Amino acid sequence: NAGVTQTPKFQVLKTGQSMTLQCAQDMNHNSMYWYRQDPGMGLRLIYYSASEGTTDKGEVPNGYNVSRLNKREFSLRLESAAPSQTSVYFCATRRQRIYNEQFFGPGTRLTVL
Amino acid sequence: GQQVMQIPQYQHVQEGEDFTTYCNSSTTLSNIQWYKQRPGGHPVFLIQLVKSGEVKKQKRLTFQFGEAKKNSSLHITATQTTDVGTYFCAGREGNYGQNFVFGPGTRLSVLP
Repeated sequence: NAGVTQTPKFQVLKTGQSMTLQCAQDMNHNSMYWYRQDPGMGLRLIYYSASEGTTDKGEVPNGYNVSRLNKREFSLRLESAAPSQTSVYFCATRRQRIYNEQFFGPGTRLTVL
Repeated sequence: GQQVMQIPQYQHVQEGEDFTTYCNSSTTLSNIQWYKQRPGGHPVFLIQLVKSGEVKKQKRLTFQFGEAKKNSSLHITATQTTDVGTYFCAGREGNYGQNFVFGPGTRLSVLP
């Protein structure tokens, strides 16, 4: 089992370019999340999806859109990248029984010039 | 909105010394989780605490949830170089809420 996978691992964009970050899970979890991580600021929630077909805004949704394509896949789109979106992006799923723990993907390191 | 704070931001210890990080929430939590992130890696779940005053141990790690369910701590006894990384707490307000709010983390360095 691959767990949570993310593509790409690294990306450099110019200001104004668009791109989609892909996330897929084989854990059969309903909930999926997108976070960004900046130095000294921990993990901030961008969007989440409680189940297939639903998405909701998190703490920092501006400049992003998401799609929950099916139970396995949850993508994050930057329509017009800005330097302030330079960050490490993590996708996560959550097991909703017992420990509610989140399982994180390896991350995408994005630089916007 | 809910805020989660952690202190210290950084901690440097000599191998074998103890280490403690503290997590404080602006609101009462239903549960709190702890994660560890190695340098260059992704966060990995360590534990979840649910009950007021709960204490759980994992080998050299001791986790505590405050009586008022607004604070928590992680204590590592006799640190090892493998303990290096950033430790995050994440708190949830309601039992059925989807979101956990993460603290900014405490970065631990262990000198051999």
